[in-house]
Amino acid sequence: DAGITQSPRHKVTETGTPVTLRCHQTENHRYMYWYRQDPGHGLRLIHYSYGVKDTDKGEVSDGYSVSRSKTEDFLLTLESATSSQTSVYFCASGLAGDTGELFFGEGSRLTVL
Amino acid sequence: GESVGLHLPTLSVQEGDNSIINCAYSNSASDYFIWYKQESGKGPQFIIDIRSNMDKRQGQRVTVLLNKTVKHLSLQIAATQPGDSAVYFCAVNNDYKLSFGAGTTVTVRA
Repeated sequence: DAGITQSPRHKVTETGTPVTLRCHQTENHRYMYWYRQDPGHGLRLIHYSYGVKDTDKGEVSDGYSVSRSKTEDFLLTLESATSSQTSVYFCASGLAGDTGELFFGEGSRLTVL
Repeated sequence: GESVGLHLPTLSVQEGDNSIINCAYSNSASDYFIWYKQESGKGPQFIIDIRSNMDKRQGQRVTVLLNKTVKHLSLQIAATQPGDSAVYFCAVNNDYKLSFGAGTTVTVRA
């Protein structure tokens, strides 16, 4: 299995506070992704990266920002958390953008009170 | 954008029977399709993929069928086992991004 870890795995925070989720991969994959998973919606893409310092928006990017300063790390930041951002967040990585084989982390459950 | 939908949110199947999970997509230009399995408390895991130049692809106990005419794909699991209980997602790769359907929860009855 690809080595991809997320931290923290669980977090409870209050509305208006900043939150950063970290994704770390040891496979030297070029592509990295952040998804959120909510009941009835499957996985929705927030942001993705196609290289160091190269990022782009997904379908639900409002309220989120990302950074990728090293190949192995991809950070997701909620500048001011809202209750609608309560979700399970998954990071994924892949060797090439035209492949469907992504390797997912175990998820980070975020609760915004 | 791409819309990916599943026909049934849940599927209950007897152990040993075959399972069929269906998925529809909206973009006729889509050319790469993938199935993922997600077990409880874990991240999704790649099962099998198929490109638009194929109609069928087989893996170990799984077969994916693609019907481009009606923009439909299906995942067949042969001789379903208790370990197959999970949520199954179809996904479409467009411009290096995967769009996922909502998922079908498969429950295997003993």
